[in-house]
Amino acid sequence: DAGVIQSPRHEVTEMGQEVTLRCKPISGHDYLFWYRQTMMRGLELLIYFNNNVPIDDSGMPEDRFSAKMPNASFSTLKIQPSEPRDSAVYFCATSAALGTEAFFGQGTRLTVV
Amino acid sequence: SQQGEEDPQALSIQEGENATMNCSYKTSINNLQWYRQNSGRGLVHLILIRSNEREKHSGRLRVTLDTSKKSSSLLITASRAADTASYFCATWGNNRLAFGKGNQVVVIP
Repeated sequence: DAGVIQSPRHEVTEMGQEVTLRCKPISGHDYLFWYRQTMMRGLELLIYFNNNVPIDDSGMPEDRFSAKMPNASFSTLKIQPSEPRDSAVYFCATSAALGTEAFFGQGTRLTVV
Repeated sequence: SQQGEEDPQALSIQEGENATMNCSYKTSINNLQWYRQNSGRGLVHLILIRSNEREKHSGRLRVTLDTSKKSSSLLITASRAADTASYFCATWGNNRLAFGKGNQVVVIP
């Protein structure tokens, strides 16, 4: 397995534009997590899914953020409209079960200007 | 919500020396994990210690867990330049994997 695959690796967009981040989990992993990493706030859990169902979205900062997992092999995190304070590295991670090790993608570095 | 929190220190050591970093957390946990992050990359899992374990070894890594003090330590022995990275502890509890802010370790060749 190629591991968790995220795209794009880098995204630069103008304020107000819609941004969509993508994640392909490891096959067979039932849990998928979206994290945001900044210098100020560290790694923040935004949302996680179990078997494609959102379980905890309490970390989603605002209604501008939304996440979907239409099937077991694909998830998206969308920001609409984007703002400069959304600039961060966004990570997708997956695990086979709760409490087990998480496997991270390489992240998407988002810059909103 | 619970959250692992490392001592906010940056370590700079000579190759061959040992590096120790600490982590504290606030609530009960099922297990505690340590991850490494190289610059510009994703996090990589290093080691997991369960709440009923006190110490665990993996290669040059030694992890301790003190649930009475809600703290853990990670020791890297005989450090190498390739160990230069940020190290994060993470706790599983309340069905969430929460990360601390990380420790920057620089190993000077």
